[in-house]
Amino acid sequence: DAGVIQSPRHEVTEMGQEVTLRCKPISGHDYLFWYRQTMMRGLELLIYFNNNVPIDDSGMPEDRFSAKMPNASFSTLKIQPSEPRDSAVYFCASSRLTGGGGYTFGSGTRLTVV
Amino acid sequence: GNSVTQMEGPVTLSEEAFLTINCTYTATGYPSLFWYVQYPGEGLQLLLKATKADDKGSNKGFEATYRKETTSFHLEKGSVQVSDSAVYFCALYAGNNRKLIWGLGTSLAVNP
Repeated sequence: DAGVIQSPRHEVTEMGQEVTLRCKPISGHDYLFWYRQTMMRGLELLIYFNNNVPIDDSGMPEDRFSAKMPNASFSTLKIQPSEPRDSAVYFCASSRLTGGGGYTFGSGTRLTVV
Repeated sequence: GNSVTQMEGPVTLSEEAFLTINCTYTATGYPSLFWYVQYPGEGLQLLLKATKADDKGSNKGFEATYRKETTSFHLEKGSVQVSDSAVYFCALYAGNNRKLIWGLGTSLAVNP
């Protein structure tokens, strides 16, 4: 298995533009998580899905952020409009229904909003 | 509620030194405990885990023992290498909601 695949690896965009981050989870994993990591706030859970259904989006910072999972093999995190304070590394992770809760992480997308 | 507390970093060691990174937790029931490692520029990787009291997780020379009496899961390695330089996260899984509870991470730098 190729692991959790995220794209792009790096994104630089101007303030006010729309940004879309993509994630392909491991086949057979029922849960998908979106995290944000910054030096100031550490690792924050934004939203997670179970069987493509959003379960908890309480970590989404505001309405500018949205996430979808149209099928078991694809998810997107969208920021519209983007702001400089959204600059961070965004990680996607997936896990099986069983297995003690261990996650497999993607390599992340480093977002810079200028 | 459930929580994880890690020792603050950064931790700086010389090569071949002994490493301990402390992790304590608060949880109801019998959680599973994890250590993840994040190398520079990469995502987090599962390093080791333990699912019940007195279990010892081990991987790549690292060990951690699930101590219910002290609610701890300290990470240890007998002889660190430069390649162990990374950020280490302790995490807890306490139930059916599938969310891991994370510590803040401890940065380790190993000098040659």
